[in-house]
Amino acid sequence: EVQLLDSGGGLVQPGGSLRLSCAASGFTFDTYVMSWVRQAPGKGLEWVSAISGSGVKTYYAESVKGRFTISRDNSKNMVYLQMHSLRGDDTAVYYCADGFRAGFDNWGQGTLVTVSS
Amino acid sequence: QSVLTQPPSVSGAPGQRVTISCTGLSSNTESIYDVHWYLQLEGTAPKLLIYGNTNRPSGVPNRFSGSRSGTSASLAITGLQAEDEADYYCQSYDSSLSGVVFGGGTKLTVL
Repeated sequence: EVQLLDSGGGLVQPGGSLRLSCAASGFTFDTYVMSWVRQAPGKGLEWVSAISGSGVKTYYAESVKGRFTISRDNSKNMVYLQMHSLRGDDTAVYYCADGFRAGFDNWGQGTLVTVSS
Repeated sequence: QSVLTQPPSVSGAPGQRVTISCTGLSSNTESIYDVHWYLQLEGTAPKLLIYGNTNRPSGVPNRFSGSRSGTSASLAITGLQAEDEADYYCQSYDSSLSGVVFGGGTKLTVL
């Protein structure tokens, strides 16, 4: 059974940094593109970033480009999202998901990031 | 503002059929990407409902069906049940934006 477990969310001040983690199990991790998708309170879904199975290729939404960095450790079946220069509009539940252009088959439970002073 | 457009809400009585539209898909004939649909119950993570325009993952009832025509797609739900009350999102890929795009979501109310 595929499982994605998101963690690392919390309260951070504007301009601060935070690193999210996603632990994956139940599938051949290094063959899957992995993504982060977020959802602001009461709003819709927004794709944030994706990383290829090897980790060589990364993709970002314009709204986070230059501030967020996605990475993965295939030896640990983990994917990460390092977030810098956080702003109020980054406040959201962040979901780890497997997939990218072809859709997202499985989702983590989400981790809440709140950017506030 | 979402790249893909969905109606904010739809409703129907138990047993009825409802459809949810998704417009604004890429018209670039050299790079047409599939549409996928997700269901999100209150307070939970989204769940894949339809992939590749028309395909249902294992476990999704055949009451749910997807279709696509050009730059529009639709999700149809027949035999509406109370448990179908949720938010529904369409999703595709836009090569001009080099990114995944979602619709704004549609709240389905079962009357």
